[in-house]
Amino acid sequence: GQQLNQSPQSMFIQEGEDVSMNCTSSSIFNTWLWYKQDPGEGPVLLIALYKAGELTSNGRLTAQFGITRKDSFLNISASIPSDVGIYFCAGSPLSGNTPLVFGKGTRLSVIA
Amino acid sequence: KAGVTQTPRYLIKTRGQQVTLSCSPISGHRSVSWYQQTPGQGLQFLFEYFSETQRNKGNFPGRFSGRQFSNSRSEMNVSTLELGDSALYLCASSFYPAGERATEAFFGQGTRLTVV
Repeated sequence: GQQLNQSPQSMFIQEGEDVSMNCTSSSIFNTWLWYKQDPGEGPVLLIALYKAGELTSNGRLTAQFGITRKDSFLNISASIPSDVGIYFCAGSPLSGNTPLVFGKGTRLSVIA
Repeated sequence: KAGVTQTPRYLIKTRGQQVTLSCSPISGHRSVSWYQQTPGQGLQFLFEYFSETQRNKGNFPGRFSGRQFSNSRSEMNVSTLELGDSALYLCASSFYPAGERATEAFFGQGTRLTVV
């Protein structure tokens, strides 16, 4: 089946630092979604991307849909303690009738 | 606009029992997908329903089943529970079915199932 490679698996950063994480796929996707999940809760949608090359921001978060349609990245600027959590990427494959594919997540820890 | 609602939030069951979990999607959304999340395996796709029809099924045993009602609410059932079924079960709703159009999927808070 299709897989997404999400990296890094975990990050420890100082408060105020910028963060970058990315996802790559072996196949072409027509949608990229980025989620954040807090412990014991469901993932919350942060950013949705629909076009190759698209760059979208949501507050301190910025995500881009790669030109090749096989990758996406998420940046968080000036991290704060509440950014702690697990970030997931998800992609919708180009072929129809196929469920979303999820990365295994990036666990972010912010040191105050 | 209410989000995705899953009930119950927490559940403890004994091995061999069965369990039914419920998911009410966002109003107007007709697609509901179910996922199992465990620490080691991440989000594993169970199945997707759209307009009361199962469109996709993940690689899970037949003990896992689901259905969707005419109001788009969905239930999933796990029979003959095993210890390994302990997980967070998440449902996600979207307006369009997966793969048909660019669409966003919104998750509920999940049901934490513990099998003892």
